[in-house]
Amino acid sequence: GNSVTQMEGPVTLSEEAFLTINCTYTATGYPSLFWYVQYPGEGLQLLLKATKADDKGSNKGFEATYRKETTSFHLEKGSVQVSDSAVYFCALTLYNFNKFYFGSGTKLNVKP
Amino acid sequence: DGGITQSPKYLFRKEGQNVTLSCEQNLNHDAMYWYRQDPGQGLRLIYYSQIVNDFQKGDIAEGYSVSREKKESFPLTVTSAQKNPTAFYLCASSIGTGGQSTDTQYFGPGTRLTVL
Repeated sequence: GNSVTQMEGPVTLSEEAFLTINCTYTATGYPSLFWYVQYPGEGLQLLLKATKADDKGSNKGFEATYRKETTSFHLEKGSVQVSDSAVYFCALTLYNFNKFYFGSGTKLNVKP
Repeated sequence: DGGITQSPKYLFRKEGQNVTLSCEQNLNHDAMYWYRQDPGQGLRLIYYSQIVNDFQKGDIAEGYSVSREKKESFPLTVTSAQKNPTAFYLCASSIGTGGQSTDTQYFGPGTRLTVL
């Protein structure tokens, strides 16, 4: 089947630390991969995406590379800020399928 | 501005009552979705619709109903049959037309439903 597995949180970092949130997937076809961010009390916002192997999605200093050989899409940021504190969701969808599969979310807390 | 609106932001209902959550989009998207999110949990798909007048059950459809009479609207009714309805409800939409490459889901701000 199709599923997404994320590292459990919460992840607590000091400001300017390096961030990695792991995401691995299983898919019956060739998926597109996404990272969404959710701030407290709000909906999800698209952070970045990648649609084919070796693509790198990037936005606001965050990056993730689509690794088909390891079925992974890990989220990274070189220097986190307090404002990055949120819950991050990894997700996949399949071509012409329109159904999304979300991970359980990883909460990030950044301390000043 | 294009986007997805959900109303109300907070909703309270008495046990045994049905309640309808609104979701409207002006993005001209064909596909719309309803998710449920419980505290500290991920998203679970309730219903989705890929085209007007058609919808499919998601993973947790029991106790919920939907309609899709207009492209821009996808209301969700939480019925009294839903045993534990207190949650955060998120509506989303995507371009959704067949034959297109996989596309992004865009989310509304959510409705927090509390059963008293």
